[in-house]
Amino acid sequence: DGGITQSPKYLFRKEGQNVTLSCEQNLNHDAMYWYRQDPGQGLRLIYYSQIVNDFQKGDIAEGYSVSREKKESFPLTVTSAQKNPTAFYLCASSAGGDYNEQFFGPGTRLTVL
Amino acid sequence: RKEVEQDPGPFNVPEGATVAFNCTYSNSASQSFFWYRQDCRKEPKLLMSVYSSGNEDGRFTAQLNRASQYISLLIRDSKLSDSATYLCVVNRGTNAGKSTFGDGTTLTVKP
Repeated sequence: DGGITQSPKYLFRKEGQNVTLSCEQNLNHDAMYWYRQDPGQGLRLIYYSQIVNDFQKGDIAEGYSVSREKKESFPLTVTSAQKNPTAFYLCASSAGGDYNEQFFGPGTRLTVL
Repeated sequence: RKEVEQDPGPFNVPEGATVAFNCTYSNSASQSFFWYRQDCRKEPKLLMSVYSSGNEDGRFTAQLNRASQYISLLIRDSKLSDSATYLCVVNRGTNAGKSTFGDGTTLTVKP
């Protein structure tokens, strides 16, 4: 079955530690995205990538980093510079084209202790 | 003013009711539009794309009004399982990074 996987589902981190969230897709999509969602709020774009070896900052990129070495993978690192990292992190991908619907992974819930 | 605005609700309706949500957008150059459904503590899932001519999928009908810059979602004969948050998404272009999500409208369908 094609889809997007994210791991881990739950992640706990101590302040001052970097942590990397995994996102893999086998949909053969060119574009991939990372969003952050806080309770009762909408999705905010952190980073996106339209093609391998290229990525762009979204609206809230400070304190985060990404890489896109393979088409299938788009890991997100939450660095110690991110002031308020506790949130629900969602990865998505899209094929592009006129409508460019995005499809989401199940998310990673990060808690900083 | 936010680029995409939705009435947060909550909308509390009885089973069998018809309920409608609106979503307004500020960028007149917006090109494509979607409704997503998000269950509590889950990822958003695509419900429907919204076409200029309007489109229907079973009990769900989506409409686009470009002149007034809003899209709507109508749910007929509401089911308990329709309880969720409905997110409106507006694309300013076909390239990645051009999507803006609304904050969502919460629907609770009660027996």
